Amino acid sequence: AQSVTQLGSHVSVSEGALVLLRCNYSSSVPPYLFWYVQYPNQGLQLLLKYTTGATLVKGINGFEAEFKKSETSFHLTKPSAHMSDAAEYFCAVSRRPSGSARQLTFGSGTQLTVLP
Amino acid sequence: DGGITQSPKYLFRKEGQNVTLSCEQNLNHDAMYWYRQDPGQGLRLIYYSQIVNDFQKGDIAEGYSVSREKKESFPLTVTSAQKNPTAFYLCASSMSQGQGFGQPQHFGDGTRLSIL
Repeated sequence: AQSVTQLGSHVSVSEGALVLLRCNYSSSVPPYLFWYVQYPNQGLQLLLKYTTGATLVKGINGFEAEFKKSETSFHLTKPSAHMSDAAEYFCAVSRRPSGSARQLTFGSGTQLTVLP
Repeated sequence: DGGITQSPKYLFRKEGQNVTLSCEQNLNHDAMYWYRQDPGQGLRLIYYSQIVNDFQKGDIAEGYSVSREKKESFPLTVTSAQKNPTAFYLCASSMSQGQGFGQPQHFGDGTRLSIL
């Protein structure tokens, strides 16, 4: 069974500082990994995904994440935070129960606050 | 522009009443999903459908029902059997798995359901 753990339900950074949101997963098969962002009262928007190939994945809005199999991690980073980055971020792993399509298991989310 | 439309944005239910949440997509996606979001718990899968006239229970299907009569539409009914229906409900869709693994899910903007 797959699971996702996001360390830190709330993270605060200063504008211009490095953003680091942590995600660890467990999976019995090679995982597909995703980061989504959610703004208040809206749906989720895909930031980036890892399926196969290059382990450093670049996404939208200057975010990137690195798949580290040895550490079972997929941390999200951005070199310089902007006020508009304030939102909730979800890490997700793709799973496939037997006989069905792949589904997503989500972490519990990390609320990012950007301080002026 | 293609996307997913959920309606209404806010919905109120009286005790003992069934309510139906609408989800329509024009992305030509085969698979559709319903999630429930509660604070601090991430997203939990209620039902999903891979093709028309077929759907499967997710992790928390009790008290909910769905139908998939058209490719574009996947309505969710919250029945009176769901004892704690107050939550934010998100609908999503994705390409079929036969078109490549790791396809991301695209989300609507959600419906917030409250009990009167």
